[in-house]
Amino acid sequence: AQKITQTQPGMFVQEKEAVTLDCTYDTSDPSYGLFWYKQPSSGEMIFLIYQGSYDQQNATEGRYSLNFQKARKSANLVISASQLGDSAMYFCAMRDPWGLMTTDSWGKFQFGAGTQVVVTP
Amino acid sequence: TAGITQAPTSQILAAGRSMTLRCTQDMRHNAMYWYRQDLGLGLRLIHYSNTAGTTGKGEVPDGYSVSRANTDDFPLTLASAVPSQTSVYFCASSETGDGNQPQHFGDGTRLSIL
Repeated sequence: AQKITQTQPGMFVQEKEAVTLDCTYDTSDPSYGLFWYKQPSSGEMIFLIYQGSYDQQNATEGRYSLNFQKARKSANLVISASQLGDSAMYFCAMRDPWGLMTTDSWGKFQFGAGTQVVVTP
Repeated sequence: TAGITQAPTSQILAAGRSMTLRCTQDMRHNAMYWYRQDLGLGLRLIHYSNTAGTTGKGEVPDGYSVSRANTDDFPLTLASAVPSQTSVYFCASSETGDGNQPQHFGDGTRLSIL
């Protein structure tokens, strides 16, 4: 069953505007990590930002911030002041919720289907 | 620069043939992973290894095998390729396997099975 849901398959955003990419997840594990990655058309996967389930504050990395709403199980990525170079596919990912039960299942990540962002001049 | 190297970059393979995708990292990361990326499905974990000498199954392990003889190398083998294994394959590593570390990805291998 899909544990990571990205409901926006694609979106256009104008340069210099902010954009919010949605991500919801499903887990019963109290300890988990949430990640966002960027994949430009060249194909490489680039780590953007991380949020731990016990972190008190929303994560920020430069123009990227994560709007973490634990009760709603959402971890939306906000890109402020969009640039043309932000055009890419964006993936939300979560560490497998079984991670604490056995060390054999540590490190399993699950990815959403991705959101394609196109920044226009 | 340091990172993850995957080889080959791309490959066309006849169905039924075997193939090993190579992955080497020089960051001394303990954990390594293999994913396949298919349109509309994001990345799906095939196999992973939390440390040298151990491996585990991911979400879609059937038809694939891995080994982790040392820290740096994590090859992925398709014993008898089928067309449904046509995909882009990414190798990744992270400092530890406990899931709180970001993963670093290779550039991918584009594999077509005919």
